[in-house]
Amino acid sequence: GAVVSQHPSWVICKSGTSVKIECRSLDFQATTMFWYRQFPKQSLMLMATSNEGSKATYEQGVEKDKFLINHASLTLSTLTVTSAHPEDSSFYICSARMAGGLRGREQFFGPGTRLTVL
Amino acid sequence: GENVEQHPSTLSVQEGDSAVIKCTYSDSASNYFPWYKQELGKRPQLIIDIRSNVGEKKDQRIAVTLNKTAKHFSLHITETQPEDSAVYFCAASIMAGNQFYFGTGTSLTVIP
Repeated sequence: GAVVSQHPSWVICKSGTSVKIECRSLDFQATTMFWYRQFPKQSLMLMATSNEGSKATYEQGVEKDKFLINHASLTLSTLTVTSAHPEDSSFYICSARMAGGLRGREQFFGPGTRLTVL
Repeated sequence: GENVEQHPSTLSVQEGDSAVIKCTYSDSASNYFPWYKQELGKRPQLIIDIRSNVGEKKDQRIAVTLNKTAKHFSLHITETQPEDSAVYFCAASIMAGNQFYFGTGTSLTVIP
């Protein structure tokens, strides 16, 4: 149980285009989902916290107009990188927090999406 | 916001030896501290966690200690095995706030 999927796993796009990344909790309801960015051999940097049905909370320094987050249901959150540029190339990982229960504190991570902007 | 520092950034040990990774945090309100293991190209996996009302927790070869006063916590892996080789991340969280703030990671290599 507690599986999180991401789609796509790898995307290459041209500079100036927008890319949407989906994060789904497959077998549980996630009250909260988180989006992280990870550069090679570096840590996970929290970008934003997404609660179902409400606006995402962005960390300081993260442009909310560039990284659009939508959390339309308890099992799906999307991250859209708008007008992507080469510096947006990175590994984007989502995580989902299970609603309540003994595992209510644990975050379950998706497999990540590697974005390459040419 | 919370600032989590982690040391060392790389660690090599002989198989069978122990490995210790240390983290410090800045926000005294943080009260939940998970440790994640990330193998190359894979997602982070929770290996152990500790809450602020506990000073130490052990699960087989893995243990975590917490010093709230000093605001630091450590991961201890005993009898290391080659499959323990991975990047380990500590994190700190305020339980009511949900967000995890990760340390910079430690790349552990266990030499057979």
